[in-house]
Amino acid sequence: DTGVSQNPRHKITKRGQNVTFRCDPISEHNRLYWYRQTLGQGPEFLTYFQNEAQLEKSRLLSDRFSAERPKGSFSTLEIQRTEQGDSAMYLCASSLVSEEQYFGPGTRLTVT
Amino acid sequence: QKEVEQNSGPLSVPEGAIASLNCTYSDRGSQSFFWYRQYSGKSPELIMSIYSNGDKEDGRFTAQLNKASQYVSLLIRDSQPSDSATYLCAVSGNDYKLSFGAGTTVTVRA
Repeated sequence: DTGVSQNPRHKITKRGQNVTFRCDPISEHNRLYWYRQTLGQGPEFLTYFQNEAQLEKSRLLSDRFSAERPKGSFSTLEIQRTEQGDSAMYLCASSLVSEEQYFGPGTRLTVT
Repeated sequence: QKEVEQNSGPLSVPEGAIASLNCTYSDRGSQSFFWYRQYSGKSPELIMSIYSNGDKEDGRFTAQLNKASQYVSLLIRDSQPSDSATYLCAVSGNDYKLSFGAGTTVTVRA
């Protein structure tokens, strides 16, 4: 069990560019969650998958955000036309259904 | 949307003392309750989960849940400098999505 991994760990991009983050969950975990955390706040739910199905998207997630989990394994989160307000730590967590969620190290996004 | 409130910090305790952290939540349908520890610049680390009323102890940590009062707490006994971190309370319902409080920062003075 190697834990949840996320790549890249840091991303600096210019406003208007597209970025994509990857999350590899703990093997055999069928649920995968994306959260966003800004300084001084707790993580906020963005979306989650059970296997390959995206079951819910937060209203925080504008249409510039899209997430996929092909084949129910790793997941990607893409942000199109980034804005300075997108600067945050993007966290991925995985779990078995109804079990505790374990977080990856996060991807820190800075939009300049 | 579940609202989760934590006592405002920062909380400063001397080494060896008990740190007491509190959390209230708004949704009576909440079923699962968690405490995460987050060091500066790192991601949240699960330290306790509690699902039924009462106390749950794990080493120096004790979580307490009172669903009638919609209240969860975390006690850290024999506080160590390595316990200095932000502690996040999280709550979920039958959809298992986590709603987090803003966190309480604890500093343990040597």
